[in-house]
Amino acid sequence: DAGVTQSPTHLIKTRGQQVTLRCSPISGHKSVSWYQQVLGQGPQFIFQYYEKEERGRGNFPDRFSARQFPNYSSELNVNALLLGDSALYLCASSPMQETQYFGPGTRLLVL
Amino acid sequence: GQNIDQPTEMTATEGAIVQINCTYQTSGFNGLFWYQQHAGEAPTFLSYNVLDGLEEKGRFSSFLSRSKGYSYLLLKELQMKDSASYLCAVRDRGNQGGKLIFGQGTELSVKP
Repeated sequence: DAGVTQSPTHLIKTRGQQVTLRCSPISGHKSVSWYQQVLGQGPQFIFQYYEKEERGRGNFPDRFSARQFPNYSSELNVNALLLGDSALYLCASSPMQETQYFGPGTRLLVL
Repeated sequence: GQNIDQPTEMTATEGAIVQINCTYQTSGFNGLFWYQQHAGEAPTFLSYNVLDGLEEKGRFSSFLSRSKGYSYLLLKELQMKDSASYLCAVRDRGNQGGKLIFGQGTELSVKP
């Protein structure tokens, strides 16, 4: 079975630009969560979506937004990039309140 | 507030046993998870505890005491490949969804 997939794997952007990250959950999983992980820290929760509705939002500015599509895939958008947005962005899928399984992540570098 | 504490670093010898502790203070509790993360890779699921007691899974065991806000991950017969970061995470019952609150991770180095 295919696991969680994310694209792209790596990305380099400059300050002020916008970025879109993509995630496809494990087949049958309807919940997708997004996390940001900076070097040396644990992942920080950004969003959770279930059945295309936002079910949770972490302490991140409005520059961060996300959506979930009818096929349960998801996109995370970040506008007006700052240097501090450089991190590993992780997507996790689960059948709602069950264990979350993580994708390989997208490593974003903002210059 | 939400707080999860675990040691930053630990070192152990190949073949030995190591225990990684985690203490938590969260507004709600709906389960505690342990994940393993190798450098540059995604976290992989190791264990889940929602009731008090010990859960055993091969060389890995995890313990939970909800009254003490305490968990540990026990790794037996350590192998070099166990060198990784170990993340403790609590699912907050206060959230309808599946929000996980992570500790900073414990970097385990296994030496020959």
